[in-house]
Amino acid sequence: EVQVVESGGGLVKPGGSLRLSCAASGFIFSNYGINWVRQAPGKGLEWVSAISSGSTYIYYAGSVKGRFTVSRDNAKNSLYLQMNSLRVEDTAVYYCARVGQFGELDYWGQGTLVTVSS
Amino acid sequence: QSVLTQPPSASGTPGQRVTISCSGSTSNIESNTVNWYQQVPGTAPKLLIYRNNQRPSGVPDRFSGSHSGTSASLAISGLQSEDEADYYCAAWDDRLDGVVFGGGTKLTVL
Repeated sequence: EVQVVESGGGLVKPGGSLRLSCAASGFIFSNYGINWVRQAPGKGLEWVSAISSGSTYIYYAGSVKGRFTVSRDNAKNSLYLQMNSLRVEDTAVYYCARVGQFGELDYWGQGTLVTVSS
Repeated sequence: QSVLTQPPSASGTPGQRVTISCSGSTSNIESNTVNWYQQVPGTAPKLLIYRNNQRPSGVPDRFSGSHSGTSASLAISGLQSEDEADYYCAAWDDRLDGVVFGGGTKLTVL
């Protein structure tokens, strides 16, 4: 069964840092790109970042570029999102999602909540 | 303000057919395929339609997608109470080099 499970969320002060993880199972992780998507409380979905299967291609939304860094360790079937200089507006549930054959996000995790507040 | 434009709400009675529109531009919907996601409140999004009109296994054929120019739409026929959810369209944007989502449409089954 394909699964992606996020972890690492929590409460952090503005300006602080947090590292999210996404653990994958049930598929050959090194063959798939992964995206991060977030959802602020009561709001819609917002794409955050994408990383290709071999980390060759990495993309960020303008709202996080320069503050967030995505990486992956294919040997550990894991994806990471290092979030620095966090702002109140970064408060959201963060989802990792696998990229399917045609670019669709075909499997999503349950999300991890990041709260940025003083 | 979302790059893709969806109506904030839609509604229908059981058995009816409803459609949800998604409007974009030449750099996203016209150039790339559209995907649709369903999110029941309190749960993670789920892929509903990919590549404009393809259904993943397990998605009922009551759900269908179409795409023309800079617009796309999702149709739900034979509406059921369990279809009450938020629906999002999404596509890659060549100008922004990223995925863009619509603002979401809240579907209410009356």
